[in-house]
Amino acid sequence: AQKVTQAQTEISVVEKEDVTLDCVYETRDTTYYLFWYKQPPSGELVFLIRRNSFDEQNEISGRYSWNFQKSTSSFNFTITASQVVDSAVYFCALLAGGTSYGKLTFGQGTILTVHP
Amino acid sequence: IAGITQAPTSQILAAGRRMTLRCTQDMRHNAMYWYRQDLGLGLRLIHYSNTAGTTGKGEVPDGYSVSRANTDDFPLTLASAVPSQTSVYFCASKPSSRMNTEAFFGQGTRLTVV
Repeated sequence: AQKVTQAQTEISVVEKEDVTLDCVYETRDTTYYLFWYKQPPSGELVFLIRRNSFDEQNEISGRYSWNFQKSTSSFNFTITASQVVDSAVYFCALLAGGTSYGKLTFGQGTILTVHP
Repeated sequence: IAGITQAPTSQILAAGRRMTLRCTQDMRHNAMYWYRQDLGLGLRLIHYSNTAGTTGKGEVPDGYSVSRANTDDFPLTLASAVPSQTSVYFCASKPSSRMNTEAFFGQGTRLTVV
């Protein structure tokens, strides 16, 4: 079975602080994909990144960066110099192989609040 | 480009009533999914469909049914609503059920069962 754990339920920071959102996953499959989605106060789910299990290179996109470490089954997300617009719920998700038929397993979500 | 459209946006429903949440996508995606979002639990899969004419059960299917008569539509029906079905429901689609494609989500339907 697949499982995703986001241990941080809520994080509160002041604008311009760096913040890291943790994500730990469990799967027995050797081929899998990891995702991060953002859910702003308006409610929609916005895709941020996809990473496959064979690519452990970290990725940076503007103020966002992702650290994928298979050795610790983690896929952490860092926002540098946070802004008020980053306030949202962030979900980490896992899509594994076998008979999962493309079904995403989500973590519980982390509520990030960035104060001005 | 509409993407995925869910209707209604929100609904208050009396317990015991039947309700169908509608989901339509115009991207010709083969795979579609229904999730429910509950605080502290993230999103959990209710039902899915890999292609028109096929459906499958997800993690929390009890009390819900789906149909996939064509590629574009994937309605979710609550036969007899109960308060525990109060949730935000998201419909999603992917070009195919292959793993390496991300899912696109609708705006969600906030359902309150009283």
